[in-house]
Parts: sequence; C-alpha cells; structure tokens
Amino acid sequence: EPEVTQTPSHQVTQMGQEVILRCVPISNHLYFYWYRQILGQKVEFLVSFYNNEISEKSEIFDDQFSVERPDGSNFTLKIRSTKLEDSAMYFCASSGSSFWFSTEAFFGQGTRLTVV
Amino acid sequence: GENVEQHPSTLSVQEGDSAVIKCTYSDSASNYFPWYKQELGKGPQLIIDIRSNVGEKKDQRIAVTLNKTAKHFSLHITETQPEDSAVYFCAASWEGADGLTFGKGTHLIIQP
Repeated sequence: EPEVTQTPSHQVTQMGQEVILRCVPISNHLYFYWYRQILGQKVEFLVSFYNNEISEKSEIFDDQFSVERPDGSNFTLKIRSTKLEDSAMYFCASSGSSFWFSTEAFFGQGTRLTVV
Repeated sequence: GENVEQHPSTLSVQEGDSAVIKCTYSDSASNYFPWYKQELGKGPQLIIDIRSNVGEKKDQRIAVTLNKTAKHFSLHITETQPEDSAVYFCAASWEGADGLTFGKGTHLIIQP
C-alpha cells in the first residue's frame, strides 16, 4: 500500500538553527500539506501546496517557515531560525491523484523536532 | 474560522462493548468530516469519513453519523477489540479548502 514517508524520525536542534524536514508524498498525489502536533495537543494545519506554490497557510506559518518541492518526489519544510516553541511532531500529508480530486489526506509517521 | 470540539478526552470501555466519540463543528460551510486513528509513535491514519450529503456511513465495525442541523458528528465502534486502543481525532473541512481542522482527540482504552 502506498504511504507517505518522512525523514528524519527525530531531529534535535539548537535554538536559532535552521532545520529542514523531508517528506516523500504518495507518488500520484498532487496536494501536499504540513501539520504539527505539540505534545498532548491537537493536530494543527500549517500549509498546503499545490502546483508548485502555497495554496493556503495558517497563522502559525509565519516568515520563519518555508516549503519547497525541489524535485518530483520530495516535499520539504524549512524552519529558518528555530525557537523552543517549535518543538513538536511535524506531519506531512498528501491527497488527490491525477484523475480525481479527493480531500482524503494520508499522513506520514511524523518527524519529532526537539529544539534545545 | 472553523472550530471543532471533541468529547470525551478519554474513553475506557470493556472489550466487546461499543464506543462512541462525539464532535461538534462551528462552520456551517463544512461538508467533509474524516476520522483519524493515531497509534503511539505513528501519524494519523484515516479510518472513515463522511460528506454532508449523507447522514450515516458504515464500514464493518465502524460507523459515522452526521447531523448537519445540529452541526455534530459521531464515531461509533462496535464489538471493540484491544487493537482499537488509540487516540481518535475528528476533523472538519469543506470541498476546495486545503486544511483540516482537528478536534483535540479522544484516547480510547479497551479494557480486557
């Protein structure tokens, strides 16, 4: 069964450092997303990406964040200068296919980001 | 924006019994309501969803009901099994929107 894969599974970084979280969405999907989940809290939408550009972003997704699809398979989230409050589980998700639009989003296993 | 409330936060049931998790939403434009199951150390996995043109959907032991007038929807799990133990999230969105708004989650515990 196709799945969304994320690397690394756990990333520890010092405050102020840049981090890049990587995702490989399901191959024929067209819509890509990043969500985060602070420990013990709800999953929160960060950003969606379609046709090589951001289509929607939340208030959380400020200038410190950026997304990129550098090639045909990877989808990345960059945090430019990490803060302690960026510590969370970050989930990548993808949806849709070449032939029909679907809002079912399939999630990766997550990257746990710890900022120290 | 949309706001999704989910209850209860923790639910403990005996194996074999039924479990019901309830969610309410605020935005009447929402018309897509998925449920996700999250096991420890894993990402949320879609288990069932419903669109607003139907009132109920069933898949084996899992069913979801939707009341658009009252703006609430529920997940029903019958004949619960130990592997049903997980955190369950409801969410809401609308066709054409990009992001899902999630509830806070329900930790379902199946007692042997």
